[in-house]
Amino acid sequence: DADVTQTPRNRITKTGKRIMLECSQTKGHDRMYWYRQDPGLGLRLIYYSFDVKDINKGEISDGYSVSRQAQAKFSLSLESAIPNQTALYFCATSDARPSYNEQFFGPGTRLTVL
Amino acid sequence: GEDVEQSLFLSVREGDSSVINCTYTDSSSTYLYWYKQEPGAGLQLLTYIFSNMDMKQDQRLTVLLNKKDKHLSLRIADTQTGDSAIYFCAENNNAGNMLTFGGGTRLMVKP
Repeated sequence: DADVTQTPRNRITKTGKRIMLECSQTKGHDRMYWYRQDPGLGLRLIYYSFDVKDINKGEISDGYSVSRQAQAKFSLSLESAIPNQTALYFCATSDARPSYNEQFFGPGTRLTVL
Repeated sequence: GEDVEQSLFLSVREGDSSVINCTYTDSSSTYLYWYKQEPGAGLQLLTYIFSNMDMKQDQRLTVLLNKKDKHLSLRIADTQTGDSAIYFCAENNNAGNMLTFGGGTRLMVKP
């Protein structure tokens, strides 16, 4: 079974709709992250959480919100989707140890906003 | 601010060596990384190097780090078709363990 799962894997929606992307992990990690991937731009950090009561904005948080429902669950919401939020979204987790901070990624959610 | 740059594309023949290059700007990074993304999948850590090292070898992979020039490279020896993927360079931010990724280099291996 995958350690980091994301649902849905694909989603097509219309401008103005509210969308929630969900992430679950069985790795027991405290740290969770949401990234978006655009061709040629790499991954950009949207939000991150170092524990259940901790939420921090990343590089591109405008238009997004998150909820850390439990250690294992971290969801990303688009309150009113717009076409330039069409992208591949990845959730990732990491442990506070080891020091090299390997991040473990989910399989991604492909979101298309029409 | 932090910036990590890579060329977009590299094509090699099976059996040749591949060299993927990366430049970064944050001189305080303690670790630099290479992640691999296969089609339809998330990223997986391929290897990493501590900033006080200048070389790390792991089977077919060799990582070279030039801190003076802020240049990182990944050499894949005897490249196979299964190495075809997107390779991301990343650096960590000392404050908070954030990663900054480059744009990714798509490696195509021709048989």
